[in-house]
Amino acid sequence: DTAVSQTPKYLVTQMGNDKSIKCEQNLGHDTMYWYKQDSKKFLKIMFSYNNKELIINETVPNRFSPKSPDKAHLNLHINSLELGDSAVYFCASSSDYEQYFGPGTRLTVT
Amino acid sequence: AQSVTQLDSQVPVFEEAPVELRCNYSSSVSVYLFWYVQYPNQGLQLLLKYLSGSTLVKGINGFEAEFNKSQTSFHLRKPSVHISDTAEYFCAVSLNAGGTSYGKLTFGQGTILTVHP
Repeated sequence: DTAVSQTPKYLVTQMGNDKSIKCEQNLGHDTMYWYKQDSKKFLKIMFSYNNKELIINETVPNRFSPKSPDKAHLNLHINSLELGDSAVYFCASSSDYEQYFGPGTRLTVT
Repeated sequence: AQSVTQLDSQVPVFEEAPVELRCNYSSSVSVYLFWYVQYPNQGLQLLLKYLSGSTLVKGINGFEAEFNKSQTSFHLRKPSVHISDTAEYFCAVSLNAGGTSYGKLTFGQGTILTVHP
């Protein structure tokens, strides 16, 4: 029983392409997040949604657009991919103070 | 804004030895504190958390941490490590926002713990 799942696990694409990463949680949580982990393993929050509403939007380029069709899903769409977007993207969800993380999506832009 | 500093980027240790991973934080308001572990090519798993109450917090896999408000520290300890504890460990804080469930986590830079046989 996967609590927070992400697809795909690996994504290799060329500069300029548009891609999406999907996230689903079956924990019944109200809040979901996207984090980016760079090549030095530094983790930084990108977005947070609570009950389908955007509540945290860090200084992320407009090329990144999260979408939450319902409170169990939070997808991340990235336009015009750049080399610097290569990273591991983690989805997480929480209902209280504890956040549950997905397995990550490793995005490689060539 | 809050910040987290993990004082050691790498900690090598022999099996069955004790270990301490250091974490200091900075915040103008009270915070909640967390330690997460990341095994290679996996997501993050919560080891333990401090919300309030006793400053000594026990977590999974025999880990514990002590919140020291005066020193703004939250060091992680284990009295006897195993090979399987080899992983990267992240300290994190979120603002004590009066019960809100959507406090963002601010992470430290991570500490790679390597346990040698």
